[in-house]
Amino acid sequence: DGGITQSPKYLFRKEGQNVTLSCEQNLNHDAMYWYRQDPGQGLRLIYYSQIVNDFQKGDIAEGYSVSREKKESFPLTVTSAQKNPTAFYLCASSIGTSGDSSYNEQFFGPGTRLTVL
Amino acid sequence: KNEVEQSPQNLTAQEGEFITINCSYSVGISALHWLQQHPGGGIVSLFMLSSGKKKHGRLIATINIQEKHSSLHITASHPRDSAVYICAVRWIASNYQLIWGAGTKLIIKP
Repeated sequence: DGGITQSPKYLFRKEGQNVTLSCEQNLNHDAMYWYRQDPGQGLRLIYYSQIVNDFQKGDIAEGYSVSREKKESFPLTVTSAQKNPTAFYLCASSIGTSGDSSYNEQFFGPGTRLTVL
Repeated sequence: KNEVEQSPQNLTAQEGEFITINCSYSVGISALHWLQQHPGGGIVSLFMLSSGKKKHGRLIATINIQEKHSSLHITASHPRDSAVYICAVRWIASNYQLIWGAGTKLIIKP
């Protein structure tokens, strides 16, 4: 089965600790994305990667870091610098980021709910 | 100011009713997406539109590019349709970034 997996589904962290959220895809997609979702708000882009070993900041990158060492994997680290990290985090991927719209269609993982205690 | 506005924010209806959810946007777009988010949190893409109308089962999506407006319709609604429906537009100036609406929470009562 092709798809995107995120783990864990629920994550609890003490204030001041860094935590890494996993995102893996076996769709052979070049592009991957991390979004944050807060109640009553639209999704906000944290980071995206168009290709292996390259990534770009999104709208709310402060307090987060990513890596893209493998095509299949795009882990997100929520650092202690993120002031309000409690949120629902969604990872997505797409074939690419340019050209035909179907090329850009994003497929989503099930999400990780992070709670800072 | 939100570039993508959805209405209503919340909608409760009885099983069998015809449902309409609206999305208005203020930027130039190359495509508009409708997505569904179930209570567990995962998001599923329903439609991607750049013009006209698309139908899949009981779901119909329309877009009017001139009026910068799209609607998602559900015919013969069922409790399993209860979810958050999200509109997102692909901003023409940025082919990879989506601008997201806040979502419409739909509850269908049996």
